[in-house]
Amino acid sequence: NAGVTQTPKFRVLKTGQSMTLLCAQDMNHEYMYWYRQDPGMGLRLIHYSVGEGTTAKGEVPDGYNVSRLKKQNFLLGLESAAPSQTSVYFCALRAQGETQYFGPGTRLLVL
Amino acid sequence: DAKTTQPNSMESNEEEPVHLPCNHSTISGTDYIHWYRQLPSQGPEYVIHGLTSNVNNRMASLAIAEDRKSSTLILHRATLRDAAVYYCILRDYGSGTYKYIFGTGTRLKVLA
Repeated sequence: NAGVTQTPKFRVLKTGQSMTLLCAQDMNHEYMYWYRQDPGMGLRLIHYSVGEGTTAKGEVPDGYNVSRLKKQNFLLGLESAAPSQTSVYFCALRAQGETQYFGPGTRLLVL
Repeated sequence: DAKTTQPNSMESNEEEPVHLPCNHSTISGTDYIHWYRQLPSQGPEYVIHGLTSNVNNRMASLAIAEDRKSSTLILHRATLRDAAVYYCILRDYGSGTYKYIFGTGTRLKVLA
C-alpha cells in the first residue's frame, strides 16, 4: 500500500455518534483522497486535499468533514453517523504520474 | 457519472490470456486511460495507464484503439491471484484538480 495506513480497521457506531478516520502517509505526497465503497459498487470520492491546509469536496461530501493540518495526515470526520454511512472507506494518495496508492480500508458499520 | 463502460463479469481459465474490454467514447484528447484492480477485501491497486500508444509493464499490457474510444487490458497468463475486480478509469477535471470516477468494473473469475 505504498506507505498508506488507515486507522481504525473496523468500527461499529450507533446512529448519531461521531468518529474520525485517520489516513497517514510516510512519504511526502501532496494529494490525498477519501473514498467510500458500498457493496457491489465502485469507489466514490468524498473529499480530497491538494496539500497541507487545503481540502475540497468530491462527489459525495454530505455528512462528512475533513482536515489536513499536517501534510502526512488526512482526517475524515463523521459528526453524526447515519446508517447510510455504513461503508468501506479508502484513503489514497497520488504519486508521480497520477498513480494513486490506496490504503487497506476502514470498515464502518452504523447501527 | 462513470465515463467508462465495462462488462460486469468475465471468466478465464488459469494460464490462459485474458482480454478485458473498456469503452470510453467520450474521452478527450488529453485523458489518460487508467486501470486499477481490487482484490477481495483490499484497496484498489494500480495496474497500468496509457494515453495513445500501447503500454506494457510487468503486470499487464494495455492496448488502446486508434480512435481512443476503447481499450483492452491484457493479462498474458491469468493466475488464480488475478481474480479481482478490474476498473477502467478516466480522469475528471474539476475545481483545479484531476479526480478518478470509478464505475462498477469487471469482476474477473479465474478457473483452475
